[in-house]
Amino acid sequence: SAVISQKPSRDICQRGTSLTIQCQVDSQVTMMFWYRQQPGQSLTLIATANQGSEATYESGFVIDKFPISRPNLTFSTLTVSNMSPEDSSIYLCSVEDRKGAETQYFGPGTRLLVL
Amino acid sequence: KQEVTQIPAALSVPEGENLVLNCSFTDSAIYNLQWFRQDPGKGLTSLLLIQSSQREQTSGRLNASLDKSSGRSTLYIAASQPGDSATYLCAVRHTGNQFYFGTGTSLTVIP
Repeated sequence: SAVISQKPSRDICQRGTSLTIQCQVDSQVTMMFWYRQQPGQSLTLIATANQGSEATYESGFVIDKFPISRPNLTFSTLTVSNMSPEDSSIYLCSVEDRKGAETQYFGPGTRLLVL
Repeated sequence: KQEVTQIPAALSVPEGENLVLNCSFTDSAIYNLQWFRQDPGKGLTSLLLIQSSQREQTSGRLNASLDKSSGRSTLYIAASQPGDSATYLCAVRHTGNQFYFGTGTSLTVIP
């Protein structure tokens, strides 16, 4: 299994500002994923982050709003840009264990509140 | 587009009961299905993963089944305990890294 940490664990931000969320994994992984969980809803995949290439965004998510970096095989960042109250969510990163059954492992999440 | 539904949305049972959580999906061409639990304010913990070619997986008091043709999966929890109280999510995966999550079942086990 993989152990994943995220920073910050929570934040309160003003509208119009940006927040960068960090995701650190204790082992090298090829694929990292970023999800959003809006209040009372399930998870929605934002993008897939592969090392050495640009992130692949899902429908409804764009790079200008959610730029992602993946500088190495253990680290990724997601930036939520020009925030509005609608961006208030939990943001989670996950990795996939390709050595076994391709189980997904999740970080603890970042709780974001935009005022 | 794949739609994943979990029924019931909430469930409350006395300690010691066996229970079944349901997950249904509209597109049966899945790659695998995974069950997670989410504790309040926390991330997701993987419970069981079933490949599309498998029919069930077991881990301790948990048993997950998959009927791909009918678009259904169940998570069976035996002898429930208060520590099992959490939200349980199922997620289906298609090839090409497409993931779809259900909205979850909130379980409360009453001591």
